[in-house]
Amino acid sequence: QQQVKQSPQSLIVQKGGISIINCAYENTAFDYFPWYQQFPGKGPALLIAIRPDVSEKKEGRFTISFNKSAKQFSLHIMDSQPGDSATYFCAASKASNTGKLIFGQGTTLQVKP
Amino acid sequence: KAGVTQTPRYLIKTRGQQVTLSCSPISGHRSVSWYQQTPGQGLQFLFEYFSETQRNKGNFPGRFSGRQFSNSRSEMNVSTLELGDSALYLCASSKGLAGNTGELFFGEGSRLTVL
Repeated sequence: QQQVKQSPQSLIVQKGGISIINCAYENTAFDYFPWYQQFPGKGPALLIAIRPDVSEKKEGRFTISFNKSAKQFSLHIMDSQPGDSATYFCAASKASNTGKLIFGQGTTLQVKP
Repeated sequence: KAGVTQTPRYLIKTRGQQVTLSCSPISGHRSVSWYQQTPGQGLQFLFEYFSETQRNKGNFPGRFSGRQFSNSRSEMNVSTLELGDSALYLCASSKGLAGNTGELFFGEGSRLTVL
């Protein structure tokens, strides 16, 4: 009930391509879904987040798509750049308790020049 | 604005010892959460503190404990270290209950190696 499943584990994309990472959750009480980006040697940093009252949120080249009925959400990175090469984590929590995030296993993205 | 500061950044301990890690949150942030990051288990929630009170605790044994001080700084302690405790321990702060946008600000972590 507490798991968040993330796929793929790793992803290689050409510069300018679209990177897509998918996550699925089980607990229907979750109502806050952030994505975090982590570079080697650094802590994770919030990239973009969505609440289930909307099906899509876009910030620059990053878009979250949310499917409440399927309990799935995904991150799309448009026009992927080498600087986007990092590990991406989806997460879920209750909006009333965002300090306790349940993270997916992470996706290592490599964008080739 | 200074970020979340964690000390020490690296440390090596032997089995059976205990360790204390420190976290200074962003000024004005009252909530501090701790996470353990390992290659096998990923990021796992340890506990969360708000105004010196533990709000939530993850599924870790009692050897893992923490506390928060009146200035919002937090410490976590691991006693009777085991090899499997080797990990990156991340601290994250947020504004807490008031004005909470949900964003956690992570430090760079304390990397613990247990030999």
